[in-house]
Amino acid sequence: DIQMTQSPSSLSASVGDRVTITCRASQGISNYLAWYQQKPGKVPELLIFAASTLQSGVPSRFSGSGSGTDFTLTISSLQPEDVATYYCQKYNTAPFTFGPGTKVDIK
Amino acid sequence: EVQLLESGGGLVQPGGSLRLSCAASGFTFSSSAMSWVRQAPGKGLEWVSGISGSGGNTFYADSVKGRFTISRDNSKNTLYLQMKSLRAEDTAVYFCAKDVLIDYWGQGTLVTVSS
Repeated sequence: DIQMTQSPSSLSASVGDRVTITCRASQGISNYLAWYQQKPGKVPELLIFAASTLQSGVPSRFSGSGSGTDFTLTISSLQPEDVATYYCQKYNTAPFTFGPGTKVDIK
Repeated sequence: EVQLLESGGGLVQPGGSLRLSCAASGFTFSSSAMSWVRQAPGKGLEWVSGISGSGGNTFYADSVKGRFTISRDNSKNTLYLQMKSLRAEDTAVYFCAKDVLIDYWGQGTLVTVSS
């Protein structure tokens, strides 16, 4: 099975900073990669699918890129409401594995 | 409005069984694949199982294969997860989710496996 890894596992940044999270698949998954945001105590929400397509209603400061095995999620200007854990997920074939998550908080 | 309402969670002894249900509304249930995703306390998301819209194709994580069975009743707009031979490491909040690229999540139901 394809394994998903994320780095870093956590980060602390200042409001307004540019934040980048990396997700890597152990084998190529084309662009079948999604990003989810889970705020503390809340249900996850879909941010990005097809590696770079923003889900409706998601602020434009979020963006995604990559294809094959290496992907990134970028927050162009970190806001207090972005404090959350971010997960990548592959959805090309089963098992539809999530990455281990990256916890983002404000410095 | 899409709604997913899980039920059936609770406390069960190791080796025991439990069946989770998820009542769906607000979309054409029979046209949508469905998933179960779990989250152990303080841990990350783990995809557990998925099923096609017709129910003809089912998928499982290795951690639950042979112990859990996913099914659906399209006449009742309901998704199920039958869990057997439960272990302490199955303790988690179990989320019902629409599709495998998940655009809607239920609020989750807590399953605790403990003696």
